[in-house]
Amino acid sequence: GAVVSQHPSRVICKSGTSVKIECRSLDFQATTMFWYRQFPKQSLMLMATSNEGSKATYEQGVEKDKFLINHASLTLSTLTVTSAHPEDSSFYICSAIPTREARYNEQFFGPGTRLTVL
Amino acid sequence: AQTVTQSQPEMSVQEAETVTLSCTYDTSESNYYLFWYKQPPSRQMILVIRQEAYKQQNATENRFSVNFQKAAKSFSLKISDSQLGDTAMYFCGMGAQKLVFGQGTRLTINP
Repeated sequence: GAVVSQHPSRVICKSGTSVKIECRSLDFQATTMFWYRQFPKQSLMLMATSNEGSKATYEQGVEKDKFLINHASLTLSTLTVTSAHPEDSSFYICSAIPTREARYNEQFFGPGTRLTVL
Repeated sequence: AQTVTQSQPEMSVQEAETVTLSCTYDTSESNYYLFWYKQPPSRQMILVIRQEAYKQQNATENRFSVNFQKAAKSFSLKISDSQLGDTAMYFCGMGAQKLVFGQGTRLTINP
């Protein structure tokens, strides 16, 4: 149980376009989801906390107009990278905390999305 | 601000040996959780072990155990009888809900 999926797994886009990444909790509901960014050979950096039915909370230094987050249902959060540029190329990972069984506040992670902006 | 430090960028041991990965952290929170995650080449984050900060007893999961020293804010991971499949990046994370991760330790198990 507690499976999180991400779509797409890889995406290549042209500079200036927008890209949407979906994060779904497949067998549980998640009031809270998180979006991370990971550069090669580096750690995960939290970008934002996504809360179902309310605005996302962004970490310091993350442009909220650049990285739009929508958490419209208890099983889906989306991250849209607007007007993407090569410096936005990275590995994006989402995670979710099950609403019903939030022991330990354990986060279940998606497999990640590799974004390449040309 | 919360910080997590993993002071060992890389470690390498022989199969079947025991290895300990270090992690120290800093927080002003009184109630929080600590985790070790592994990230194999697939880059899927996999939970290894977790610890509630208010519990003094060290968590264990089969070959994995932790040495949790709350006063010292230390949370090391011991892997016993290491296996080739343990080769991965290991991240220490802590927080009450959102997590802060350390820089990671690349562990290689050699045959």
